[in-house]
Amino acid sequence: DAGVIQSPRHEVTEMGQEVTLRCKPISGHDYLFWYRQTMMRGLELLIYFNNNVPIDDSGMPEDRFSAKMPNASFSTLKIQPSEPRDSAVYFCASSTLPGQGAYEQYFGPGTRLTVT
Amino acid sequence: QQQVKQSPQSLIVQKGGIPIINCAYENTAFDYFPWYQQFPGKGPALLIAIRPDVSEKKEGRFTISFNKSAKQFSLHIMDSQPGDSATYFCAASKGGAQKLVFGQGTRLTINP
Repeated sequence: DAGVIQSPRHEVTEMGQEVTLRCKPISGHDYLFWYRQTMMRGLELLIYFNNNVPIDDSGMPEDRFSAKMPNASFSTLKIQPSEPRDSAVYFCASSTLPGQGAYEQYFGPGTRLTVT
Repeated sequence: QQQVKQSPQSLIVQKGGIPIINCAYENTAFDYFPWYQQFPGKGPALLIAIRPDVSEKKEGRFTISFNKSAKQFSLHIMDSQPGDSATYFCAASKGGAQKLVFGQGTRLTINP
């Protein structure tokens, strides 16, 4: 398997523009997570889905952020309008729950977003 | 109560030394404690994990020590190598939930 795939790997945009980050989870995984990583705040969970349904979006910073998962193999994280403080590395991760209850989240390579 | 506090923020050790990274938590409902390793330009990857029914778990040169009464757990790296230089994150979750709470991370440097 190719692992979690994210695109683009780097995104530079101007303040006020719409940004869309994309993620393809590992086939067969039924959980998908979006994280944001910054030096100041570390690794923050933004939202996660189970079977394409959003379960917990309490980490989404504000209404400018939205996430969708239209099917089991694709998810998007959209920022509209973008602001310089949104500059960060955004990770997508996926997982599934084995019978014994222990699980591992597999992270993608991340998208480095710079908003000028 | 949802926080996991990790220390130190950065650590420099000579090759062959034993770096120790510590984490503390408040929420007694947490029952799964993984450590993730992240190399520059990459996403975090699971290194080792423990549940509170054991006090220690070893996988190769990596050991987790767990102290349930103190609500603390730590990562030890035996015979550390320059290739172990990375950022390490502890995390916790509760009740079989998929949601992980991460510590702030420790940037580890192993000097040759």
